[in-house]
Amino acid sequence: NAGVMQNPRHLVRRRGQEARLRCSPMKGHSHVYWYRQLPEEGLKFMVYLQKENIIDESGMPKERFSAEFPKEGPSILRIQQVVRGDSAAYFCASSPAGQGFGYTFGSGTRLTVV
Amino acid sequence: AQSVAQPEDQVNVAEGNPLTVKCTYSVSGNPYLFWYVQYPNRGLQFLLKYITGDNLVKGSYGFEAEFNKSQTSFHLKKPSALVSDSALYFCAVSDSASKIIFGSGTRLSIRP
Repeated sequence: NAGVMQNPRHLVRRRGQEARLRCSPMKGHSHVYWYRQLPEEGLKFMVYLQKENIIDESGMPKERFSAEFPKEGPSILRIQQVVRGDSAAYFCASSPAGQGFGYTFGSGTRLTVV
Repeated sequence: AQSVAQPEDQVNVAEGNPLTVKCTYSVSGNPYLFWYVQYPNRGLQFLLKYITGDNLVKGSYGFEAEFNKSQTSFHLKKPSALVSDSALYFCAVSDSASKIIFGSGTRLSIRP
């Protein structure tokens, strides 16, 4: 049973380009969460999604960032017109249902904006 | 709103000695509490959780944590530290109805 799969592992983008980060949850998990980790800092919540629905996006920047979790396929975190400050590790986690199960994390995507 | 605090940026312990990594939380309602560990350039690995029941929770790699409701704490402990325990440890809390919030992390360093 594969864990949470994130790709790419490393992504380099020039300022102004778009970054697309993908996350395939564990089999049987219908809840997906995205977190951002800046160097030497903790994880900051970004968005919580279920299939075809955004449940909580209180941690998403108001502009340039969007997320989706379609009926078929992986969850996508999209960052438009990237800036240097977007450089971070982006982690996806999934759970079967509710918070009591805890999360299973992917290995993350490390975004570098040059 | 829920929050979690890890007051120590770094904890240094000699191998074989007991270790404690501190965590306090704030949440409305009953808390769901978690500990995760992160090794360099890796994602987070689940260690243990408290939902309900016995206040002493046992988890992976010999770690345990004690839920203390009156002190709103959930400290991580291990009786005898190993060099391989050196990593970044995150405490996390949820009020069961929303997302999990993570602390800022504590870097644990075990010297041989």
